[in-house]
Amino acid sequence: AQSVTQLGSHVSVSEGALVLLRCNYSSSVPPYLFWYVQYPNQGLQLLLKYTTGATLVKGINGFEAEFKKSETSFHLTKPSAHMSDAAEYFCAVSDRGTNAGKSTFGDGTTLTVKP
Amino acid sequence: ETGVTQSPTHLIKTRGQQVTLRCSSQSGHNTVSWYQQALGQGPQFIFQYYREEENGRGNFPPRFSGLQFPNYSSELNVNALELDDSALYLCASSMDRAVRNEQFFGPGTRLTVL
Repeated sequence: AQSVTQLGSHVSVSEGALVLLRCNYSSSVPPYLFWYVQYPNQGLQLLLKYTTGATLVKGINGFEAEFKKSETSFHLTKPSAHMSDAAEYFCAVSDRGTNAGKSTFGDGTTLTVKP
Repeated sequence: ETGVTQSPTHLIKTRGQQVTLRCSSQSGHNTVSWYQQALGQGPQFIFQYYREEENGRGNFPPRFSGLQFPNYSSELNVNALELDDSALYLCASSMDRAVRNEQFFGPGTRLTVL
């Protein structure tokens, strides 16, 4: 069975600093990988996804993530944090060949951005 | 284009009762997935419906059941409610089942079981 581990349930950065949110997965075959953001009292919004091709994936709001098969990781980064980035972030995986609707999610990382 | 909507937004029930949650998928989407998000945790996949048929189920007991209607809206029914069923219930819709099709989430229904 697949599993997703997000290291660090809470991450705090200063405005303008680098954002790094960590995600490791456990799967016998490289899965499809996703990052979602959730603002208070809202549903999840897709930031970016990796299915095939280039391992560095660019998403919305200046976020990007790199798929590293050897490290079974898919860490999310943003060069310069903005106050509006404060939210809950979820990493998710789904089996290659299935669809995003059957994803397994990590427990999330709360990002706080300090002025 | 109307996004994914869910009703009600909040609901309070007591143990043993039954509840029905509703989801209207985004226009043109024929696939709906339901998730349970307990406090402090990530969403857990309950089941998915594609063109009115169940298309996969997570590790949830049979008292969690669903329906999808011809207009692709969906219901989640939970019987014999337990305290642990208290959670945010999210639905997400997408076009077909292909992974490359992004799924769009509704704002969720917050269920409290007393």
